[in-house]
Amino acid sequence: GAGVSQSPSNKVTEKGKDVELRCDPISGHTALYWYRQSLGQGLEFLIYFQGNSAPDKSGLPSDRFSAERTGGSVSTLTIQRTQQEDSAVYLCASSSPARPRGYTFGSGTRLTVV
Amino acid sequence: DQQVKQNSPSLSVQEGRISILNCDYTNSMFDYFLWYKKYPAEGPTFLISISSIKDKNEDGRFTVFLNKSAKHLSLHIVPSQPGDSAVYFCAASVRNNFNKFYFGSGTKLNVKP
Repeated sequence: GAGVSQSPSNKVTEKGKDVELRCDPISGHTALYWYRQSLGQGLEFLIYFQGNSAPDKSGLPSDRFSAERTGGSVSTLTIQRTQQEDSAVYLCASSSPARPRGYTFGSGTRLTVV
Repeated sequence: DQQVKQNSPSLSVQEGRISILNCDYTNSMFDYFLWYKKYPAEGPTFLISISSIKDKNEDGRFTVFLNKSAKHLSLHIVPSQPGDSAVYFCAASVRNNFNKFYFGSGTKLNVKP
């Protein structure tokens, strides 16, 4: 697609439920990133995928968080047993090998855990 | 512990004047810096970058200054326009590790007509 697409744009869930957030990167972009922004905070790195290499999961805050990237394209971020502190805007970005420094971000998923 | 800090959550400037957005960092290993601009309900978009071998990079109305000794960078917008009203994030990375950027918390710029 023309840009990075994320769905849903908004998600309200009850504490303890699982949620899945989807990211469809720009076609041909081999790198995919997940960040999140909590209220009043900067963007926090979560996980990075590059081609077929093992992902860099060093930013995932707990084992309730996981992500996968199928076929080197679409990625799903899963949060199990959601907690109120998981409430944030989750941003996905992708980049191409030719321009690794310039991420293209999606418009994000606003997750609210009630 | 945030390694990149934007201490001004908001800034208001008159159209035509200069906007100066500031960013401080603590990690002396950072050597590549970017500014992103974000409109409501949209993802951040890349604006301008600078590497540590330079102290200034200019692109049209936007100039980024880097003071390595002070671990400080700033974004200057001259002249400011109402369409520049957005949230501006600075970000930093370590050389050859563009896979992980550290972002500040953002400064919301309002340019008044």
